[in-house]
Amino acid sequence: AQSVAQPEDQVNVAEGNPLTVKCTYSVSGNPYLFWYVQYPNRGLQFLLKYITGDNLVKGSYGFEAEFNKSQTSFHLKKPSALVSDSALYFCAVRAWRDRDDKIIFGKGTRLHILP
Amino acid sequence: SAVISQKPSRDICQRGTSLTIQCQVDSQVTMMFWYRQQPGQSLTLIATANQGSEATYESGFVIDKFPISRPNLTFSTLTVSNMSPEDSSIYLCSVGISPSSYNEQFFGPGTRLTVL
Repeated sequence: AQSVAQPEDQVNVAEGNPLTVKCTYSVSGNPYLFWYVQYPNRGLQFLLKYITGDNLVKGSYGFEAEFNKSQTSFHLKKPSALVSDSALYFCAVRAWRDRDDKIIFGKGTRLHILP
Repeated sequence: SAVISQKPSRDICQRGTSLTIQCQVDSQVTMMFWYRQQPGQSLTLIATANQGSEATYESGFVIDKFPISRPNLTFSTLTVSNMSPEDSSIYLCSVGISPSSYNEQFFGPGTRLTVL
């Protein structure tokens, strides 16, 4: 079955420190991977995606993600965290079988940036 | 990208009643989707809203409970019928610019529903 896992419910990072939010996936075929962020009382916003090409993908707000095929991971990273990065982060993977084509979301990781 | 609005933004409803949520997009889009986000949980796809034909429902969701309309390429509605407290959730509309989900989706702000 095609799935995505976010092993951490919550991640705490001090402001200015690097942050990593973990994501692993299981798909058949080539993986199409996404990260979304949800700020309080707002809808999801697209951050970045990996379709093909460079394993390091750059996205909005200074975030980047590293695709690692051997480890089936797509961790979200930022070199220096801001308090305003505190939000709920979702990893997602394209899942398709036959003519069924949709995106599956992980359960989310709540990121707390401590001032 | 696309700008998506939803109405209402929130509502409190009585058990047994129905609520219709509207989703409006500022441009014509191919794909429109409805998701549910229950408290503390991830997003679950309810259905794909197809323009000019019946919606495609995911396992566990049925048309009688969640009827969907999509009269044109910029608008869709989701009705939550015969509500119970278990339907309390955030309902999100999203759109895809291209027919395939290997492109990103854009989400509306959500409708927070509380059923008493």
